[in-house]
Amino acid sequence: GGIITQTPKFLIGQEGQKLTLKCQQNFNHDTMYWYRQDSGKGLRLIYYSITENDLQKGDLSEGYDASREKKSSFSLTVTSAQKNEMAVFLCASSIWGISNERLFFGHGTKLSVL
Amino acid sequence: GDSVTQTEGPVTLSEGTSLTVNCSYETKQYPTLFWYVQYPGEGPQLLFKVPKANEKGSNRGFEATYNKEATSFHLQKASVQESDSAVYYCALRGATGGNNKLTFGQGTVLSVIP
Repeated sequence: GGIITQTPKFLIGQEGQKLTLKCQQNFNHDTMYWYRQDSGKGLRLIYYSITENDLQKGDLSEGYDASREKKSSFSLTVTSAQKNEMAVFLCASSIWGISNERLFFGHGTKLSVL
Repeated sequence: GDSVTQTEGPVTLSEGTSLTVNCSYETKQYPTLFWYVQYPGEGPQLLFKVPKANEKGSNRGFEATYNKEATSFHLQKASVQESDSAVYYCALRGATGGNNKLTFGQGTVLSVIP
């Protein structure tokens, strides 16, 4: 089996600060994702990447940048943290087109902005 | 675009009672439908998926039938346990070639009281 590791687990930032979240996977999956999780709003896609150096915008990409420098890693940057913002950011990976297709998720990074 | 709507939570049940979480979807394509479950402190994990209309998926006593006519995929369990307390997400993946995204519902929080 494999694992998705997100760092840090908790992130506290200041309003206006640029913050970076990191994700590593050892499944050797092609596609990686960043979702934002808010209570009552479910999981909303921010960015995804179907291969190294590829980036695709999701529904919630404004205010974020992403980078896929290599197949195993995918980072997300909050370009300017919003005051009182609180959310969990989930990284996932997948391989499609086979019978056991699914998303595998990390445990999340919890963001709080003071 | 695609959308998924679920039963609003939180849902609180006593052990041994039955569960239904409604899920309705909108998409222009013929999707694969998923149920994911998220336990406290973890990322979501696949409960089961159904790729074809009119088929049923099941796992750990949970089941759902892909109803193409009603565009529904309701989750049911005959007798819930305290260990079923979690957040449940309905999701779809559109059938267009190269579609690597999952669209999630807002999630339903389930608490089971012993």
